[in-house]
Amino acid sequence: QVPLEESGAEVVKPGASVKVSCKASRDTFTGYYIYWVRQAAGQGFEYMGWINPNSGGTNYAQQFRGRVTMTRDTSINTVYMELSELKSNDTALYYCARVERHFYGLDVWGRGTAITVSS
Amino acid sequence: DIQMTQSPSSVSASVGDRVTITCRASQDISSWLVWFQQKPGKAPEVLISVASRLQNGVPSRFSGSGSGTDFTLTISNLQPEDFATYYCQQSASFPITFGQGTRLDIK
Repeated sequence: QVPLEESGAEVVKPGASVKVSCKASRDTFTGYYIYWVRQAAGQGFEYMGWINPNSGGTNYAQQFRGRVTMTRDTSINTVYMELSELKSNDTALYYCARVERHFYGLDVWGRGTAITVSS
Repeated sequence: DIQMTQSPSSVSASVGDRVTITCRASQDISSWLVWFQQKPGKAPEVLISVASRLQNGVPSRFSGSGSGTDFTLTISNLQPEDFATYYCQQSASFPITFGQGTRLDIK
């Protein structure tokens, strides 16, 4: 089973919200943190935050606080990242990735979900 | 935030060559460094964690070294499938941060 499988690409309007899902294998869901990272075209990677799928605990990067919400559904081993008040510069590839222990860093990545913000 | 600076930003090499990529942290990160590879349209693949620990299934021609602020990724005997972009990432403190990437092209 693929460790992490993300939802499909979306086009959303400025000011709207988007919710991206990341379905994890059972082992990943119960044994790892799930991080969210994004990459705009031709740009570097930007950390958004993480969720502990077991407890639901979260930590968000300063620049996204107030705009990002990470949740999980334990019945289907899926985590979600919702980003609100979208702007054109939120257009990017959004990745979920697993982390066993924070110091060990990102371990396995999903393939990414393309989010395009356009009117 | 910890700044991660990679060099070079791009390098050209031939199959069979040895290539070294460096990553410098703006402050001491101990050994909390990951190297990963990215190919167009594919999920990034982690090669090395904790500065020098080769991930399962990664060929032994990849190696990592360093601690503190200076780190290197070495690829020996380059193979055609190694031409990609390589990134470092620190996990010593939040927010985790990334190098800007090193693009490895075929000469």
